[in-house]
Amino acid sequence: QQQVRQSPQSLTVWEGETAILNCSYENSAFDYFPWYQQFPGEGPALLIAIRSVSDKKEDGGFTIFFNKREKNLSLHIKDSQPGDSATYFCAANTNTGKLTFGDGTVLTVKP
Amino acid sequence: GALVYQYPRRTICKSGTSMRMECQAVGFQATSVAWYRQSPQKTFELIALSTVNSAIKYEQNFTQEKFPISHPNLSFSSMTVLNAYLEDRGLYLCGARDRDWGDEQYFGPGTRLTVL
Repeated sequence: QQQVRQSPQSLTVWEGETAILNCSYENSAFDYFPWYQQFPGEGPALLIAIRSVSDKKEDGGFTIFFNKREKNLSLHIKDSQPGDSATYFCAANTNTGKLTFGDGTVLTVKP
Repeated sequence: GALVYQYPRRTICKSGTSMRMECQAVGFQATSVAWYRQSPQKTFELIALSTVNSAIKYEQNFTQEKFPISHPNLSFSSMTVLNAYLEDRGLYLCGARDRDWGDEQYFGPGTRLTVL
């Protein structure tokens, strides 16, 4: 049973649009949810994260919306640019240092 | 800022041989280091979690006999892949965290292992 699920598997948006990436989880004990951005040939880079006590987190053009009751969250990338084209991973943690990752969403931003 | 270096970035080894990879944290104390393997399909597997002053905890399907890890200080960790075979190929990632500062886990660029 996959603990963290992401959808869609791939997403294409036009430059300037808002990209919405979804994530859901199974384990109610998860309390920290980071999103990572990974470019080909590189390691994942921490983009933004939220704790389960919050329902929204904003940082620059990135916003996480979190719904604890429904056990899902979404990453909104406002004003998407071609340089935002990458694979985005949702992860979850229970303060153990062990991150459980989703399978990623490949985002393509077309100019 | 928090930086994590890994080396080598790429390595090729013959089937049945071993290779060692290193991870270094700069700008923060890596009190906790998690080693992951990312498959060619991009899925992540946690291999083990190493926390200073605690025993290294390996996940199911991964053992110390196959993936010995050293975490001698707050800035360095190494892992060896012993007797590597085709199924061990992938991108090995080191995720370092300073538990005293929060949950943020920073990753290095990874060591890509190819097994011939």
